[in-house]
Amino acid sequence: DAEITQSPRHKITETGRQVTLACHQTWNHNNMFWYRQDLGHGLRLIHYSYGVQDTNKGEVSDGYSVSRSNTEDLPLTLESAASSQTSVYFCASSDLPGVTEAFFGQGTRLTVV
Amino acid sequence: GIQVEQSPPDLILQEGANSTLRCNFSDSVNNLQWFHQNPWGQLINLFYIPSGTKQNGRLSATTVATERYSLLYISSSQTTDSGVYFCAVKANDYKLSFGAGTTVTVRA
Repeated sequence: DAEITQSPRHKITETGRQVTLACHQTWNHNNMFWYRQDLGHGLRLIHYSYGVQDTNKGEVSDGYSVSRSNTEDLPLTLESAASSQTSVYFCASSDLPGVTEAFFGQGTRLTVV
Repeated sequence: GIQVEQSPPDLILQEGANSTLRCNFSDSVNNLQWFHQNPWGQLINLFYIPSGTKQNGRLSATTVATERYSLLYISSSQTTDSGVYFCAVKANDYKLSFGAGTTVTVRA
C-alpha cells in the first residue's frame, strides 16, 4: 500500500545544531508539505513543493529550508535549531491538480534543548 | 489567506450521545477535509468533502459550499471518538489551511 512516512518519530537536539527531518511518500504525489503543530496555533504551513526542484515558503518558514530532488522525498532542515522550534512536525502529500485528498505522515516530535 | 473557524472549541459527551461540529470558512474553496487526531497524535483522514454529504459508519459530513460551512456529525459516540477534529480547506492554491480544531472528550 502507498504511504507517507516520517523519520525520526522523536528527536532531541541542542540549540544551534542543524537538524534534518525526513519525509518519504510512495503515492507518487507531486505536492508535498511540511506543517508544525503547536498548542494554541493548530497546524501551520512551513514549506511546500509542487514538484521536483520546486520549493515555496509557507507562513512560518523562517529558520527552515527544504529541497526537492525527487518526487518521493521532501526533507526539512532546521539550519540552527532554536527552542522556539520545539514542536510536532507533520509532512503531507497530495496529487495534482490540487483538488484531491491530502494524506499526512505520523509526525515527528522535535525537542530543542 | 482564507480563514477557517471551528466550533465549539471543546465538547464533552456521554457515551452514546450525538453531536455536531461546525466549520466556517471565509472564501470559496475547492477542497475540504475533516481529520481526526487521535490521542497518539496521528491525523486520520475522515472525509474529503468539497460539497454534498457523505457517510462513513457513525460519522457523516455535509458541506454547503455556497454558504461556506461544513458540518461533521458523530452519532452514538464511543470513547474511541475522543480526540481533536480538524477541518482544513484549500482555495485556489494547493495548500490546506486548518481550523483550530474541536477537542472531543467522550466519557464512558
